[in-house]
Amino acid sequence: QSALTQPPSASGSPGQSVTISCTGTSSDVGGYIYVSWYQQYPGKAPKLMIYEVSRRPSGVPDRFSGSKSGNTASLTVSGLQAEDEADYYCISYAGSNTFVFGTGTKVTVL
Amino acid sequence: EVQLVESGGGLVQPGGSLRLSCAASGFTFSNYWMNWVRQAPGKGLEWVSRIKSDGSNIGYADSVKGRITVSRDNAKNMLFLQMSSLRGEDTAVYFCASGGGAFDYWGQGTLVTVSS
Repeated sequence: QSALTQPPSASGSPGQSVTISCTGTSSDVGGYIYVSWYQQYPGKAPKLMIYEVSRRPSGVPDRFSGSKSGNTASLTVSGLQAEDEADYYCISYAGSNTFVFGTGTKVTVL
Repeated sequence: EVQLVESGGGLVQPGGSLRLSCAASGFTFSNYWMNWVRQAPGKGLEWVSRIKSDGSNIGYADSVKGRITVSRDNAKNMLFLQMSSLRGEDTAVYFCASGGGAFDYWGQGTLVTVSS
């Protein structure tokens, strides 16, 4: 159960796009549709932003999108806004009734 | 409104035990998988455990297997995490979260500190 690999940081100016990768293996990210993404502000609980690779819960802006290719999932935030500055985590089902989180990415809006 | 409220955290000595609770409301608790996720101070999220809606299927992270037991009481809309043989590395905020393939709703967490 090794953590999925995410870049420690990502940044962009308001209005730009930022893409965060989440790299695992064929035993987790590459093997299942159950990849989801969470946004977390300091001291707060995480919030679901994307589920099943690319599906967006009600209320999440369509600026947030997800995709997957092989063993790597990605979260793209388009039209960056100041409120998007937060930590982002991916998580994947890893078989045998277990999940594994990514290492987390801090997004900075310049 | 969906609410998940954790309780039971606190300071415990290494080797000690603690039972965390999560009170659920605003949704049909008995229909949902439930999870525990923890976050050590200044660190990332770590999935800990999950339990199926009827309690028939349970999973644990390798880091806690054998030391932690998850359970639920659907009649009382409660989720539990019994922790024993606690170590310093178990120090974290423990969140409960609902959902099977993804975690839709989260509580605000309860802090567990393992220290002598």
